[in-house]
Amino acid sequence: NAGVTQTPKFRVLKTGQSMTLLCAQDMNHEYMYWYRQDPGMGLRLIHYSVGEGTTAKGEVPDGYNVSRLKKQNFLLGLESAAPSQTSVYFCASSKGSGDYNEQFFGPGTRLTVL
Amino acid sequence: GQNIDQPTEMTATEGAIVQINCTYQTSGFNGLFWYQQHAGEAPTFLSYNVLDGLEEKGRFSSFLSRSKGYSYLLLKELQMKDSASYLCAGMDSNYQLIWGAGTKLIIKP
Repeated sequence: NAGVTQTPKFRVLKTGQSMTLLCAQDMNHEYMYWYRQDPGMGLRLIHYSVGEGTTAKGEVPDGYNVSRLKKQNFLLGLESAAPSQTSVYFCASSKGSGDYNEQFFGPGTRLTVL
Repeated sequence: GQNIDQPTEMTATEGAIVQINCTYQTSGFNGLFWYQQHAGEAPTFLSYNVLDGLEEKGRFSSFLSRSKGYSYLLLKELQMKDSASYLCAGMDSNYQLIWGAGTKLIIKP
């Protein structure tokens, strides 16, 4: 039982390049989330999904797109990377909302945009 | 607006007790979470409070006062491995988590 996994662990991009971050969970969770974590700030929600085939915007969605084609996978795309997107990205999953909103996090992806 | 406030950094001594405070303002309220995050690692769940009072879990306890918009995490018998950041998060009416910036706890021998 691997829990939540993320690939890649590290990445360096040049401004304007694109990339996709992959998140996978094997806990059969309905909800999945993408966050970014910057120094001195709390985790900020980028996009989330409440089930296969559905996605919704979080607090800071601009510059990112997501897809949830399979229940176990949640992809985060950067179409044209900018230095402001340098951050640590965490994926998380949960059974649902309310009492079932204990979120399980992946190990993170450290992205640098030059 | 929605806001979570917690101290930036605290220092405590091995074997002692420390209390990390958190005040919250959320649009609606569906509970308060505490997570632990070691440097360079992912956050891990510690506790969830939705009713007023104290929840005890081994060396860790979490308290909630909904009328005051206040919570604290109490860590007893501190160990060096407790050196980490502690994240407070309030769940709003849409069941979204609003996160504080975290409290970095430094344990000294």
